[in-house]
Amino acid sequence: AQKITQTQPGMFVQEKEAVTLDCTYDTSDQSYGLFWYKQPSSGEMIFLIYQGSYDEQNATEGRYSLNFQKARKSANLVISASQLGDSAMYFCAMREVLSGSARQLTFGSGTQLTVLP
Amino acid sequence: GAGVSQSPSNKVTEKGKDVELRCDPISGHTALYWYRQRLGQGLEFLIYFQGNSAPDKSGLPSDRFSAERTGESVSTLTIQRTQQEDSAVYLCASSEGQYSNQPQHFGDGTRLSIL
Repeated sequence: AQKITQTQPGMFVQEKEAVTLDCTYDTSDQSYGLFWYKQPSSGEMIFLIYQGSYDEQNATEGRYSLNFQKARKSANLVISASQLGDSAMYFCAMREVLSGSARQLTFGSGTQLTVLP
Repeated sequence: GAGVSQSPSNKVTEKGKDVELRCDPISGHTALYWYRQRLGQGLEFLIYFQGNSAPDKSGLPSDRFSAERTGESVSTLTIQRTQQEDSAVYLCASSEGQYSNQPQHFGDGTRLSIL
């Protein structure tokens, strides 16, 4: 079974509008971290936001917020007031603590976001 | 520099040759990871180093792949007898430690093309 599922291969949003990128995850661990990364066409992976499994409040970082619904195992990224520079591939990732000794990130397949002028 | 540094940025080689990729993590970061990203896909975990512990090699796809790291410094990923399916971007990441709340910071990657 997929550990991280991103069901939207591509998304379009009008500049200055908000957009939600979906992410669901699968784990039996109680302790884990959820991350979102942005990958522009230049290729670098840019860390955006983190949500811990025990965090009761949704994480926010500037225009990025994470809509964390633990019971539904979803961690959707919300980008407010979209900008042209937000056009990129967005990856959701999970880091499990207990069952994975490597503590590596497991990535979803990504969502290509295009912001329209 | 302040970020993760990888070299070379691009590598083109013939099938059957060996290649060596280098990663210089952020100073003070004890954890180092190698990932592979095939065109249009997400990242696949390859190998993990944490301090002086034995590396976790569970993600290496075959025995042609190996990696080394000296202490908490530079790491090299070696691919022997390269094959065309090895063509991908190889990304290195480091983090302060192994706790779940510590983000991994990535280098710009090495784009490997096997002819």
